[in-house]
Amino acid sequence: GNSVTQMEGPVTLSEEAFLTINCTYTATGYPSLFWYVQYPGEGLQLLLKATKADDKGSNKGFEATYRKETTSFHLEKGSVQVSDSAVYFCALKEIQGAQKLVFGQGTRLTINP
Amino acid sequence: GAVVSQHPSRVICKSGTSVKIECRSLDFQATTMFWYRQFPKQSLMLMATSNEGSKATYEQGVEKDKFLINHASLTLSTLTVTSAHPEDSSFYICSASPQYNEQFFGPGTRLTVL
Repeated sequence: GNSVTQMEGPVTLSEEAFLTINCTYTATGYPSLFWYVQYPGEGLQLLLKATKADDKGSNKGFEATYRKETTSFHLEKGSVQVSDSAVYFCALKEIQGAQKLVFGQGTRLTINP
Repeated sequence: GAVVSQHPSRVICKSGTSVKIECRSLDFQATTMFWYRQFPKQSLMLMATSNEGSKATYEQGVEKDKFLINHASLTLSTLTVTSAHPEDSSFYICSASPQYNEQFFGPGTRLTVL
């Protein structure tokens, strides 16, 4: 079945550091890919998405490129801020059936000042 | 736009009682609503998918008689945890989707069963 594997956390960085959170997927066909962010005590917010190969999603300084050849969708940011501390989820949306979202296990990111 | 609310945000109940959680799409009509469960430091697990006016579709392993889902209108879905037990304690999150488009997530409800 479809699945998403994320880099295990927690990840702790200093402010202004470069961030990469790895995400790879297994799916039938070419699903849409997403990154969601969850701040403490809140629900998920869509951070960015890409719907086809080589698409780059970007938002708030975060970027991720849909790589079909490596089945990956790694999240990057050039200079993180304390306010980026949250849990990040990679997800895919199935292209058949009910088009459910399948989530990775989440990566907790802590940015220290 | 695309705001989804959940009520209550937190609930504590005694073992054996039932708890109802509401999920509302405030500024759009949601053809489909999804209910997820999230254990501490784990990912979201889809429990069920509901379409307005029809029965919910439950994921494998989810007891439909224990987790009752009603999607009576295009802006409201409810999840009732019947005869709750401590192992049902979790963070329940709903999402709403306008016609298999992007899912918009509610803020979640933390259920604690004593």
